[in-house]
Amino acid sequence: DAGVIQSPRHEVTEMGQEVTLRCKPISGHDYLFWYRQTMMRGLELLIYFNNNVPIDDSGMPEDRFSAKMPNASFSTLKIQPSEPRDSAVYFCASSRRLAGLSTDTQYFGPGTRLTVL
Amino acid sequence: AQSVTQLGSHVSVSEGALVLLRCNYSSSVPPYLFWYVQYPNQGLQLLLKYTSAATLVKGINGFEAEFKKSETSFHLTKPSAHMSDAAEYFCAVSPSGSARQLTFGSGTQLTVLP
Repeated sequence: DAGVIQSPRHEVTEMGQEVTLRCKPISGHDYLFWYRQTMMRGLELLIYFNNNVPIDDSGMPEDRFSAKMPNASFSTLKIQPSEPRDSAVYFCASSRRLAGLSTDTQYFGPGTRLTVL
Repeated sequence: AQSVTQLGSHVSVSEGALVLLRCNYSSSVPPYLFWYVQYPNQGLQLLLKYTSAATLVKGINGFEAEFKKSETSFHLTKPSAHMSDAAEYFCAVSPSGSARQLTFGSGTQLTVLP
């Protein structure tokens, strides 16, 4: 059973360029999360979706960041224009809804290491 | 509001010694609590979780954690460290009934000495 898939695993780009990170959640999961991990701030939730609809984007740092989920098996996180301070590891995670309002464990992808020069 | 404090950003133990990683939480509602492990250049992997059933939770790789409401703690232990346990460990909290709003601690890097 495939886990959460992220691409690319590594991305190096120059300041000002557009960056697109991709995520394929586990099949059957209806929640998708985007996190950012840095040494200074640790793991931060950026945004999460339920049934392809963004529910909470309060963690998105600026308007330069945007996320979409066009269907249940694909999501993108885009940074335009990118800046050196965006350098971090970006994780995607997915989970499924359980009975009632409860939600199952989040399963994480391997991450995309972004370096903005 | 909820938060997690992990005491000790770096912990070193000898191979075969007890592993104890500390986690204290703050939550205005009954919490769910999680421990995740991150190996170098990999994503986070769930070790174990507490979801209001048994207070002593057993996880993978011989790890376990005990939920202590009176101490607002959820410390992670393993009786005998193995070299393969070297990794970063994260404690996380979410409101009960929802694993959506995970709040992570700052992580503890575990080093296992030969």
